[in-house]
Amino acid sequence: GAVVSQHPSWVICKSGTSVKIECRSLDFQATTMFWYRQFPKQSLMLMATSNEGSKATYEQGVEKDKFLINHASLTLSTLTVTSAHPEDSSFYICSARDPSGRPNTEAFFGQGTRLTVV
Amino acid sequence: SQQGEEDPQALSIQEGENATMNCSYKTSINNLQWYRQNSGRGLVHLILIRSNEREKHSGRLRVTLDTSKKSSSLLITASRAADTASYFCATDPQGGSEKLVFGKGTKLTVNP
Repeated sequence: GAVVSQHPSWVICKSGTSVKIECRSLDFQATTMFWYRQFPKQSLMLMATSNEGSKATYEQGVEKDKFLINHASLTLSTLTVTSAHPEDSSFYICSARDPSGRPNTEAFFGQGTRLTVV
Repeated sequence: SQQGEEDPQALSIQEGENATMNCSYKTSINNLQWYRQNSGRGLVHLILIRSNEREKHSGRLRVTLDTSKKSSSLLITASRAADTASYFCATDPQGGSEKLVFGKGTKLTVNP
């Protein structure tokens, strides 16, 4: 199956700093990627849809100025958590759907990034 | 937004036993998918069942789908300690969006 790589796998940062998380599709081109946030022992909450060459589409309640998404190429989407605060500490995961464009296809997930803001 | 509800939230069984997890959803779907997540890791796709299918098998996994009840079940037979993980259902809603909507998940613990 297709491979999605996410980096870093964990990061610790100080309050007020910004953190960038990268999501790469290694063996296929992804015009659309998805960013999720997961709190401990909870499910995935979709934050935004990253669209190559255009603005990301954010879910209701997600601050676009807080969580900056850039999808500048067909293989890379980045999520930047700006002016991070302890409440932003969480597990962030990216995904992309099957590149064939066929309906009824699976999603491929990155390994996730554990962000801890101190 | 999440539309899936899964039960049980947690399940603890002994190796060799079968594990059944259920998922309910609210809207019309193209398909329903099951994923596995080991602690602190990304999700791995297990199986996809289309809206016109009622049952699907993959190795020790058996998935059923009842679109009239908007529910699905995942059965893992002859469980192993390595099956310990969280399992999530995800629906692919009709309407053209690529977004998957995840259920709350079931934490499965298989005791050796």
